[in-house]
Amino acid sequence: QAVVTQEPSLTVSPGGTVTLTCGSSTGAVTSGHYPYWFQQKPGQAPRTLIYDISNKHSWTPARFSGSLLGGKAALTLSGAQPEDEAEYYCLLSYNGAWVFGGGTKLTVL
Amino acid sequence: QVQLQESGPGLVKPSETLSLTCTVSGGSITTHYWSWIRQPPGKGLEWIGYLYYTGNTNYNPSLKSRVTISVDTSRNQFSLKMTSVTAADTAVYYCVVVAATGADYWGQGTLVIVSS
Repeated sequence: QAVVTQEPSLTVSPGGTVTLTCGSSTGAVTSGHYPYWFQQKPGQAPRTLIYDISNKHSWTPARFSGSLLGGKAALTLSGAQPEDEAEYYCLLSYNGAWVFGGGTKLTVL
Repeated sequence: QVQLQESGPGLVKPSETLSLTCTVSGGSITTHYWSWIRQPPGKGLEWIGYLYYTGNTNYNPSLKSRVTISVDTSRNQFSLKMTSVTAADTAVYYCVVVAATGADYWGQGTLVIVSS
């Protein structure tokens, strides 16, 4: 089974910009992996921010964006807010089998 | 707005079968996937499996022999059955639907503890 890799932790300053990445053990992440990004705060259910690379839900703040970057899926946060401190997970599809990354703990400090 | 609610026993004995139901309400979407995802306490997310709208199923290889997902569209419900549970199956279980557009919707999750 493929392994999906994420940075274990990242720190961003309030108002700053940070990019979280999501890599695949099988090679470059492509549109065929249909990358999803989720935000989870302690004690809460995950909330989808981005689906299919770059599509946003109605509740996704405009400061979040998704893309493919350097062979990985990427989630960019521009203008970080204190409330963005959370765990972020990506999900990739491998011919119909879904695999989650281990998560990135984002600190806004 | 689409809403999902998981229901089922919060405590299951080892070697028994875990059964959960997800009720979908509100909104109107063309569902392509009915899925279950779980999260052990303090750990990351794990995909359990899904039922595709064609009737095909796809399960996590590590759980495939123990898991069945079914749907009752007339009742807007879908279910998860997991047999021969152990303490390692203790987790928060989330139901998820994915629309034809790719947009997905999650339940709030239900904690299932496997213990005698």
